[in-house]
Amino acid sequence: ILNVEQSPQSLHVQEGDSTNFTCSFPSSNFYALHWYRWETAKSPEALFVMTLNGDEKKKGRISATLNTKEGYSYLYIKGSQPEDSATYLCAFLGNQFYFGTGTSLTVIP
Amino acid sequence: NAGVTQTPKFQVLKTGQSMTLQCAQDMNHNSMYWYRQDPGMGLRLIYYSASEGTTDKGEVPNGYNVSRLNKREFSLRLESAAPSQTSVYFCASRGLAAPSTDTQYFGPGTRLTVL
Repeated sequence: ILNVEQSPQSLHVQEGDSTNFTCSFPSSNFYALHWYRWETAKSPEALFVMTLNGDEKKKGRISATLNTKEGYSYLYIKGSQPEDSATYLCAFLGNQFYFGTGTSLTVIP
Repeated sequence: NAGVTQTPKFQVLKTGQSMTLQCAQDMNHNSMYWYRQDPGMGLRLIYYSASEGTTDKGEVPNGYNVSRLNKREFSLRLESAAPSQTSVYFCASRGLAAPSTDTQYFGPGTRLTVL
C-alpha cells in the first residue's frame, strides 16, 4: 500500500480569493500524477495528467505544477468562483493508481 | 456516446447474498478499473484490467472477483456480501495501460448497502 496525501482536507475561501493545495506522493516508481475534480453526486472528472518533473499545466483559472524528485504537486485556483466548489483529488500512477483522500473546497459568494 | 455506464445505480443486499455490478464503456479503451469510495478513505482500487483478457488485483481485492467479458465490459462480483462492502463503487476506463498520459473516465457509480 502506497501513501498519497492531500492537504488541507478542507478549505473555505471567499469568492475572488486565490487558493492552492498540495498532493504528496512517493518519488520512486513514478509514471504520472493525475488531478480530478469531483462535484457532489457526480463522478470525478479529469483536470490534468502530469508526467515530467517541472511540468506545469493550465486550464482556465486552474493550474498545477509537478515535482517528482521531492514527490509533490500543487493545484492553484486563481480568483475562486462558487462553481469551483468541489473535492479535488490527486492520483499517483506507479504500477497502479493510488488516490489521495481529496481536498474539499467551498467558495463562499 | 454514453462514455462509461454502470448498472445498477442503487442496490440493497442482505449479508451472504451475491450480486454482479456491470460496467461498460464505448470509447474503445483498453484499460478498465473498479474502485470503492468510503468516507475518509478516498477512492481505492479493487481490481483492474489493463487489456482485454487480463485482470489484476488492486489495493483492496478481498471479497471480490472480476471478469473482463470483452473490450467493452468489466464486471465486479460479490460472491457473499458483507456489511463491510457497503460502499459506492465506481468503474473507470482509460485508453492505454500504464505508463500513459491518458486520463481515466469514470462511470456514475453504484451505491451498495449490505444489511
